[in-house]
Amino acid sequence: GAVVSQHPSWVICKSGTSVKIECRSLDFQATTMFWYRQFPKQSLMLMATSNEGSKATYEQGVEKDKFLINHASLTLSTLTVTSAHPEDSSFYICSASIPGALKEYFGPGTRLTVL
Amino acid sequence: AQTVTQSQPEMSVQEAETVTLSCTYDTSESDYYLFWYKQPPSRQMILVIRQEAYKQQNATENRFSVNFQKAAKSFSLKISDSQLGDAAMYFCAYRSAGRGGANSKLTFGKGITLSVRP
Repeated sequence: GAVVSQHPSWVICKSGTSVKIECRSLDFQATTMFWYRQFPKQSLMLMATSNEGSKATYEQGVEKDKFLINHASLTLSTLTVTSAHPEDSSFYICSASIPGALKEYFGPGTRLTVL
Repeated sequence: AQTVTQSQPEMSVQEAETVTLSCTYDTSESDYYLFWYKQPPSRQMILVIRQEAYKQQNATENRFSVNFQKAAKSFSLKISDSQLGDAAMYFCAYRSAGRGGANSKLTFGKGITLSVRP
């Protein structure tokens, strides 16, 4: 079946630094990828929809200048958390959908800890 | 906007027994998809079952089945013969079938933590 990978799986950084998280569709092309944020024991909160070759669509309340999303190819989307602060510590999950399919494939997630 | 409600934060079931997880949703659309996702401790999201709103027949996948009541906007998940590996968080989710189709976003409920007693 279709596989989505994320890298890194866990990252620790200092406050004020930027962190980039990669999301790759390994065996299919994804025109659309989604980025979610999840706090412990809570639901997935959609941050943005990433479309290949165009600007991402951010959900209300998500700072687009803080969470930079780039979908440069049909198999790669990146999320950069700029000037990270401890409150940005969370679990970030990406997903990708195959055009015409009714299924969304989720990455394994990235745990971000900001000290 | 669509909303998905899972009012029970936690449930527990005895191994080999049956448990039903509740989900209600609100939408003005007539065509949409509903999903149940499982998130085990590894936090990898796993699709459990999917229901197309235009289908009257309830979806089933082995030990998992749904009770889809379109008029009542209810979409419950029944797990039969519960196993220890079923212990996880379960999320109910909604996706519009309109413009965008598979590229439409998923709207998740808050989730329910299911524990299985040996």
